Amino acid sequence: NAGVTQTPKFRVLKTGQSMTLLCAQDMNHEYMYWYRQDPGMGLRLIHYSVGEGTTAKGEVPDGYNVSRLKKQNFLLGLESAAPSQTSVYFCASSRGQEETQYFGPGTRLLVL
Amino acid sequence: GDSVTQMEGPVTLSEEAFLTINCTYTATGYPSLFWYVQYPGEGLQLLLKATKADDKGSNKGFEATYRKETTSFHLEKGSVQVSDSAVYFCARYLGGYNKLIFGAGTRLAVHP
Repeated sequence: NAGVTQTPKFRVLKTGQSMTLLCAQDMNHEYMYWYRQDPGMGLRLIHYSVGEGTTAKGEVPDGYNVSRLKKQNFLLGLESAAPSQTSVYFCASSRGQEETQYFGPGTRLLVL
Repeated sequence: GDSVTQMEGPVTLSEEAFLTINCTYTATGYPSLFWYVQYPGEGLQLLLKATKADDKGSNKGFEATYRKETTSFHLEKGSVQVSDSAVYFCARYLGGYNKLIFGAGTRLAVHP
């Protein structure tokens, strides 16, 4: 039982490049989330999903897109990376609404 | 609006000292409250939680009591260890939404 896994662990992009971050969970959770963590700001919600085929915006959705084609996977895309998107990205999942969220190990992204 | 406020760090203690990390929140209603811990280079792990007023969450020697009168959820531990060095996040759900609101985090450093 791996819990929540994220790939890649670290990535360097140039401004304007695109990439996709993958999150996978093996707990059969309905809800999945993407957060970004910046110094002194805690974690901020980018997008979330309440089930397969659904997505919704969080606090800071601009510049990101997501997809939840399979229940166990939640993808975060950056179409045209900007230096302001340099951050650590965490994926999380939960069984249902307002239940405990379980986090992945994070992806560190540097945009030059 | 809804928010979570934590005491600023870093908090530096000697081993076996008493720890308090303050957390207060603003909310309508009585959301579930959480403490998460993040060890260096890792994702967030749930430390403890409380789902209703006057509940006490506890785990690994840490405790926090949900106090609706003071809208607080302070984290305490009677005797800290070097291995407790980490960043601690207080969090709550935004009522009626699938959004976990985090405080900015408090870094704890414990020295032998």
